[in-house]
Amino acid sequence: DIKMTQSPSSVSASVGDRVTFTCRASQDISSWLAWYQQKPGTVPKLLIYGASNLQRGVPSRFSGSGSGTDFTLTISSLQPEDFATYYCQQANSFPFTFGGGTKVEIK
Amino acid sequence: QVQLVQSGAEVKKPGASVKVSCKASADTFIGYYIHWVRQAPGQGLEWMGRIYPNSGGTNYAQKFQGRVTMTRDTSINIAYMDLSSLTSDDTAVYYCARSLVAVRNYYGLDVWGQGTTVSVSS
Repeated sequence: DIKMTQSPSSVSASVGDRVTFTCRASQDISSWLAWYQQKPGTVPKLLIYGASNLQRGVPSRFSGSGSGTDFTLTISSLQPEDFATYYCQQANSFPFTFGGGTKVEIK
Repeated sequence: QVQLVQSGAEVKKPGASVKVSCKASADTFIGYYIHWVRQAPGQGLEWMGRIYPNSGGTNYAQKFQGRVTMTRDTSINIAYMDLSSLTSDDTAVYYCARSLVAVRNYYGLDVWGQGTTVSVSS
């Protein structure tokens, strides 16, 4: 199985901060990666697909980059509604594994 | 509005089976995969497998092979996930979600069901 490692596991940040976190795959997954946001008690929401494509309706402050094994998700200016846990998922090979998540907390 | 509507919460005893349903729109059944993802209390997301409703073809995570069966009824646009030999480790919220059928890209899980809580306890 491809292991997806997210770092950091949690980050404290303030409204307006630029936040970047990473997702590393244990082997080359090309651009077969998606990012999701999940707030407590709610369903995950797709943010980015194909490593860098913004899902329709997602604010442009979110961006994704990377290919191969190293990927990043950036929030250019953190908003109050962005405090959540973020997961990456690879879809290069079965099983379509998720990373362990990065929790963004209020500083 | 595109929706995936799941069946209600279940309480099961160890060793039992559970069958969760996921009702979709007709166009979802034609052009999308239906995936099943679970989330144990306080834990992350775990991909279980997917079904292509148009053909019934499935792909399961090795971890669940032999215990999970994903099926669909195209006459009523419902996908099912059946998990057998339940243990307390299977206590989780189970989600269905769809992804577009595509060869050159992965478009992600763009629509999710509301989740079904499965509790396994003696």
